[in-house]
Amino acid sequence: TQLLEQSPQFLSIQEGENLTVYCNSSSVFSSLQWYRQEPGEGPVLLVTVVTGGEVKKLKRLTFQFGDARKDSSLHITAAQPGDTGLYLCAGYTGTASKLTFGTGTRLQVTL
Amino acid sequence: DTGVSQDPRHKITKRGQNVTFRCDPISEHNRLYWYRQTLGQGPEFLTYFQNEAQLEKSRLLSDRFSAERPKGSFSTLEIQRTEQGDSAMYLCASSLVGGGTDTQYFGPGTRLTVL
Repeated sequence: TQLLEQSPQFLSIQEGENLTVYCNSSSVFSSLQWYRQEPGEGPVLLVTVVTGGEVKKLKRLTFQFGDARKDSSLHITAAQPGDTGLYLCAGYTGTASKLTFGTGTRLQVTL
Repeated sequence: DTGVSQDPRHKITKRGQNVTFRCDPISEHNRLYWYRQTLGQGPEFLTYFQNEAQLEKSRLLSDRFSAERPKGSFSTLEIQRTEQGDSAMYLCASSLVGGGTDTQYFGPGTRLTVL
């Protein structure tokens, strides 16, 4: 059973469009991280959110952690081709030390 | 470069051979993790160390897999008698426990292909 479900699985958009990626679970997470991964490389950390309701902004990326700490979203404004990649959410449940990863959202931004 | 490094980046081997991968974590980090990622999926946890102690192993880690972190610094992951199903990206990550959120930083991975 996948603890973290991401939607959509695939997204192909044109440069300049806005998009939102969702990460949902029935479990409560003590913290949640978003990563971006390019082909043949390891995931690169974008942000960590810890507090329910927290919103963090990273340039054109806005991350939100749900009030109940069971879900999160990533919104990208005015997408650029450089945003292309696999977006992964990952979190810690309870006292676990291992990250549980989401199913991933593959984003392609074309000119 | 002070990030997590992994060696080799790519490994092609024949079924039945043994392979060993190395991970060098960020120098002050006390935790080191191994994950496996197959195509189109998110990484799956294999095992982790705090300093030199191996604290947890996944059921994915069959008896053909062994990991060590002898001096609490670099780690090795060995796969014996490789099978085609072992083909995957093997990722290493490190973190500093006690610094707050235990954020994990990943290396570039080792891509294993078993023929």
